[in-house]
Amino acid sequence: EAGVVQSPRYKIIEKKQPVAFWCNPISGHNTLYWYLQNLGQGPELLIRYENEEAVDDSQLPKDRFSAERLKGVDSTLKIQPAELGDSAVYLCASSLDRYALNEQFFGPGTRLTVL
Amino acid sequence: AQSVTQLDSHVSVSEGTPVLLRCNYSSSYSPSLFWYVQHPNKGLQLLLKYTSAATLVKGINGFEAEFKKSETSFHLTKPSAHMSDAAEYFCVVNAGGFKTIFGAGTRLFVKA
Repeated sequence: EAGVVQSPRYKIIEKKQPVAFWCNPISGHNTLYWYLQNLGQGPELLIRYENEEAVDDSQLPKDRFSAERLKGVDSTLKIQPAELGDSAVYLCASSLDRYALNEQFFGPGTRLTVL
Repeated sequence: AQSVTQLDSHVSVSEGTPVLLRCNYSSSYSPSLFWYVQHPNKGLQLLLKYTSAATLVKGINGFEAEFKKSETSFHLTKPSAHMSDAAEYFCVVNAGGFKTIFGAGTRLFVKA
């Protein structure tokens, strides 16, 4: 069975440009997470979805970041406009449901470089 | 509020010697605790998890961790390091509100 799929794996853009990341979770997983991982740090949650509902987006910078999971399956994270400080790895993860017992399965991430 | 502190940013061991990666947590609730490993250019992989069943938890690749409530610790150990263990390790806490908090990570170096 395929794991969590993310694309692209790498993205280089100039500041002020828009960028989008795509994630397809493991089939049957209701909960989807987007994390930001800066170099040398642990992942930080940006947003969590339960099916198509965003239930925790308190750490998402809403002035420039947006996300959607329209049909409760795959998801897109967008930044517009990108800033230099957005350079990081963006991780997507999924789990069966939201309960603490459940393991999160992570994709390989998208490494964003903003010039 | 909950938090997690990994006490060492880097740990270096020789192949065949024991590994100890330290993690302390803070939580207002009874937590679930996890250790994940991240190899270069690969996704995070679960090593083991504690969910209030047994305090000594065995994971994959010979790793284990012991939950000590009195010390609020969840240290990761392995009796004998292998070169393939070289990676970044993250301690993770989830306690109430379904919010997952990652530690800053410990990079493990294994010398031949």
